[in-house]
Amino acid sequence: EIVLTQSPGTLSLFPGERVTLSCRASQSVSSSYLAWYQQRPGQPPRVFIYGASTRATGIPDRFRGSGSGTDFTLTISSLEPEDFAVYYCQQYGSSPPGFGGGTKVEVK
Amino acid sequence: QVQLQESGPGLVKPSETLSLSCTVSGGSINNYYWSWIRQSPGLGLEWIGSIYYSGSTNYNPSLKSRVTISVDTSKNQFSLKMTSMTAADTAVYYCARVWSGNGWLLDYWGQGTQVTVSS
Repeated sequence: EIVLTQSPGTLSLFPGERVTLSCRASQSVSSSYLAWYQQRPGQPPRVFIYGASTRATGIPDRFRGSGSGTDFTLTISSLEPEDFAVYYCQQYGSSPPGFGGGTKVEVK
Repeated sequence: QVQLQESGPGLVKPSETLSLSCTVSGGSINNYYWSWIRQSPGLGLEWIGSIYYSGSTNYNPSLKSRVTISVDTSKNQFSLKMTSMTAADTAVYYCARVWSGNGWLLDYWGQGTQVTVSS
């Protein structure tokens, strides 16, 4: 089973700031089957990035995913008010698919 | 637009069996895999298992002995049964669709249903 570790647990930032979230896997993620989800309070997770770097439909280009193997990154170039949420990474290439513990991006 | 809706009891007694259903609307259940996921403060997001419309299943090994997922294509529904519930199973339970051809990526989710295990 692939274990995903996200860091940091919480980030406190101002709107307009750039943010980088990290997701590290315990073993290589096959075919870069790594996704990032955003979750707002009271809502289910929503896929933002898949294939490590492909934005899902409707996701603005300030979101950029990168990485391969065991190290992946989600970068938000300039935080908008709607971006303050929790972000989870998921490996979906092997069973059981697993999620990281999440990074909360909160308003400073 | 595909929509999923979970239904079932919000309160389950310890040692009892949880039964949840997920109704799919706006699209057919055919030709897709469908999943159950749960989320709790202690365990975070945890994939429970998936079922193909034809009935083949794939379970998380950590829950496999307690879980059964089934599908009813005539009702466009799939269901979850989890036995021997304990307080550790208290969580929000989500149903979701697996994005076809993309491993176990989840593209459509239900709103989730809170399940509390308590006497």
